[in-house]
Amino acid sequence: DAGITQSPRHKVTETGTPVTLRCHQTENHRYMYWYRQDPGHGLRLIHYSYGVKDTDKGEVSDGYSVSRSKTEDFLLTLESATSSQTSVYFCAISVHKGQGNTGELFFGEGSRLTVL
Amino acid sequence: AQKVTQAQTEISVVEKEDVTLDCVYETRDTTYYLFWYKQPPSGELVFLIRRNSFDEQNEISGRYSWNFQKSTSSFNFTITASQVVDSAVYFCALNDNFNKFYFGSGTKLNVKP
Repeated sequence: DAGITQSPRHKVTETGTPVTLRCHQTENHRYMYWYRQDPGHGLRLIHYSYGVKDTDKGEVSDGYSVSRSKTEDFLLTLESATSSQTSVYFCAISVHKGQGNTGELFFGEGSRLTVL
Repeated sequence: AQKVTQAQTEISVVEKEDVTLDCVYETRDTTYYLFWYKQPPSGELVFLIRRNSFDEQNEISGRYSWNFQKSTSSFNFTITASQVVDSAVYFCALNDNFNKFYFGSGTKLNVKP
């Protein structure tokens, strides 16, 4: 158990509204990630963080922003949700093994977001 | 660019059959890591194995085995004597020793009794 909690687990919202998903970890891992999962696309990286206030974009970052003000929390924000952002969102941490980021990812349980 | 291809979208087998899930990757890095994850119908993502680019030894864990071949950029996963509980979506992933993990689109395995 990597101690990852995502909230909310389910959310239905309307187009144009802001949405924030929260990822909380209890083990002080440096690297945190947000992925979205869609049929036929597998898991695609949205943003990731390598420390407090240190974040970078992934392959599908348009329309998303992130913040990490504390080691344990990594927030994903959809400023103005669109129907194309209906998806299952997974937070993950990487257990750092040494030089480079070579550890495996451990995932949260996922947050299902529906944008009507 | 890094890329992971799982060409098999869905595979159906009958229980006790052996099945191989294919994974082909692309990277220019000489140091990288490969992974397999399982996602059962309940939705959680479960880590199965990690392999670094300098270790081409095949690995066996119970009914699971992995074949890593750098010459063909493949990291295939075989389940021997499949069981209904093996039904899941399986993802192959690549880490380029920096900060990013790249996933394939997944292979859905259906094991019928």
